[in-house]
Amino acid sequence: EIVLTQAPATLSLSPGESATLSCRASQSVDRYLAWYQQKPGQAPRLLIYDASNRATGIPARFSGSGSGTDFTLTISSLEPEDFAVYYCQQRKNWPITFGQGTRLEI
Amino acid sequence: EVQLLESGGGLVQPGGSLRLSCAASGFTFSNYALTWVRQAPGKGLEWVSLISGSGNTYYADSVEGRFTISRDNSKNTLHLQMNSLRAEDTAIYYCAKVRSAAAGNYDGFDVWGQGTMVTVSS
Repeated sequence: EIVLTQAPATLSLSPGESATLSCRASQSVDRYLAWYQQKPGQAPRLLIYDASNRATGIPARFSGSGSGTDFTLTISSLEPEDFAVYYCQQRKNWPITFGQGTRLEI
Repeated sequence: EVQLLESGGGLVQPGGSLRLSCAASGFTFSNYALTWVRQAPGKGLEWVSLISGSGNTYYADSVEGRFTISRDNSKNTLHLQMNSLRAEDTAIYYCAKVRSAAAGNYDGFDVWGQGTMVTVSS
């Protein structure tokens, strides 16, 4: 099973600042990595698929990069609605696995 | 509008069974793979199972042999039959649609239901 480790566990920032979230895989997942945002009481929302492709309707301030074992989700100029929990997910090998999440807080 | 609506959750005793359903609308159901993802209270996301448009199935090790995913393309409905339930199966269960319609390309889960709560307790 591929283990995804997200860092940091919690990130404290202010609106207007930029956020950099990391996801590291225990073995290469090529570019088969997605990112999700989840707010309290809501279902997750797909942000990025295949490492760097924004999903439909996702603002341009969200960007993904990386390949192999190291990936980054960058949120430029944070908006108040961006404070949430973010998960990465790999589909390179079965079973599909998620990271443990990064909480982005004010 | 593309929508998924889960049902069937509830309280069940350890060792019991439950069948979850997920009604889909707004897209060509048979063209897309679908998945179940769960979230234990206060915890992260855990992938449970996926079924392709053609019916190929995949399971997490934690549910293999106990859960069965299926789909009824005539009724645009996804199911998850859960047997031999354990306390650690307690979670919100989400159904989700795979973004890409390309066969075997499970590139992301782009539409999610609101979730249904399953509680396994005596």
